[in-house]
Amino acid sequence: GAVVSQHPSRVICKSGTSVKIECRSLDFQATTMFWYRQFPKQSLMLMATSNEGSKATYEQGVEKDKFLINHASLTLSTLTVTSAHPEDSSFYICSAKQETQYFGPGTRLLVL
Amino acid sequence: SQQGEEDPQALSIQEGENATMNCSYKTSINNLQWYRQNSGRGLVHLILIRSNEREKHSGRLRVTLDTSKKSSSLLITASRAADTASYFCATANAGNMLTFGGGTRLMVKP
Repeated sequence: GAVVSQHPSRVICKSGTSVKIECRSLDFQATTMFWYRQFPKQSLMLMATSNEGSKATYEQGVEKDKFLINHASLTLSTLTVTSAHPEDSSFYICSAKQETQYFGPGTRLLVL
Repeated sequence: SQQGEEDPQALSIQEGENATMNCSYKTSINNLQWYRQNSGRGLVHLILIRSNEREKHSGRLRVTLDTSKKSSSLLITASRAADTASYFCATANAGNMLTFGGGTRLMVKP
C-alpha cells in the first residue's frame, strides 16, 4: 500500500520558536495532502488542506499565519508552527490523497 | 467540525469476547471508513464501506452501514489483547474529505 512518512516523529521546543514538520508520500504523487491535529484522548481535527502549487485551505478557527503550509512538490508538504506556545503541543498527523487518504505516523510536538 | 459520533466512548471486555462500536453521522456520504490508532501512534486503515454497501467483512472485522439511519457499526469478533486501541470512524464526502468521529477506546483484558 501507499506509504506516507513524517519527520520528525517527535520534537520538543522552547516557547516562541518555530517548528517545521514534513510530510512525504514515498511511493506516489499527491496533489492534495491534509494536516490534522489531535489532542490527547480526542479525535483528529482537520486543520487544513494542502494543494500542490497553490495556497492551502484552512479550516475555520485555524490561523493561517501561525500554521504555515507549503506544498512545493507532489511528494512533500510542510507544516510550520510559528512562534509555538505550550497550547500548540499536540499530535500532528498528515495524510496524502490518492483514491483514499493514506496517513503518516504523526509528529508529537511538545512546546515548553 | 466532527460529523461522526461514536458510541461507546470507552469499552472494556475480556479476551475472546466480541466488541461492537457504533458510529452515527449527519450528512450524506460517499463512503465510511474505520481506523485504528494505538496510543501515541498513527492511524491504521481497517476497512472502507461504500454508501451503496450494507455489510463488509475483513478477517475478524465486520462493518455494517445503514444509510437510512446514518449509522455504522464495527464488530471485532474473538477479541485479543492486541486489539486494545482507539477506533475511529470517518465519513468521506464526494471529494474524499474525511471527517472523524470521536473514537472508541477499546481495552481487551487478557
